[in-house]
Amino acid sequence: AQKITQTQPGMFVQEKEAVTLDCTYDTSDQSYGLFWYKQPSSGEMIFLIYQGSYDEQNATEGRYSLNFQKARKSANLVISASQLGDSAMYFCAMREEENRDDKIIFGKGTRLHILP
Amino acid sequence: DVKVTQSSRYLVKRTGEKVFLECVQDMDHENMFWYRQDPGLGLRLIYFSYDVKMKEKGDIPEGYSVSREKKERFSLILESASTNQTSMYLCASSHRDSNYEQYFGPGTRLTVT
Repeated sequence: AQKITQTQPGMFVQEKEAVTLDCTYDTSDQSYGLFWYKQPSSGEMIFLIYQGSYDEQNATEGRYSLNFQKARKSANLVISASQLGDSAMYFCAMREEENRDDKIIFGKGTRLHILP
Repeated sequence: DVKVTQSSRYLVKRTGEKVFLECVQDMDHENMFWYRQDPGLGLRLIYFSYDVKMKEKGDIPEGYSVSREKKERFSLILESASTNQTSMYLCASSHRDSNYEQYFGPGTRLTVT
């Protein structure tokens, strides 16, 4: 079974609109961390945001916020006021901290296209 | 700034050749990782290492080996390259027990002909 599911292979969004990228996860651990990374066409992976399973508030970093719904095992990324430079692949990822092995499991990604 | 560097951005090798992909990090991270990235499959973990001379298999270790003789350097070795190993290879590093992110290198796009 997939541990990280990103159901949207691709999305097209008009510039300045808000974007929600979906991510659901599967774990039996009580302690885990959730990540979002951005990969522009240049190829480098850029860390965007982190949410710990015990964090009560949704994580925010500038225009990025993580809509964490623990009961639904959902960790959607919200980008407010999208910009052309947001066009990229986006990966959701999870670290199951009870394994103590520091591995991060990645989803298959969503390709976001921002239209002018 | 954390820096993870990879020896080549682009590499073309022939089937059967031995291939070395080098990764170096300058942040004294204990953990280092090798992934391959293929369209529609996301990032898949090949091998990782928690410390010098330690290595652990990831999800797809077949056809690969690794070497970590120094803390800052983690090498991925393709003993006999095959065309199905044509891919983007990404190296990453992190502190042990870190609740935060892995830092990635720029990637090596390997083509095996």
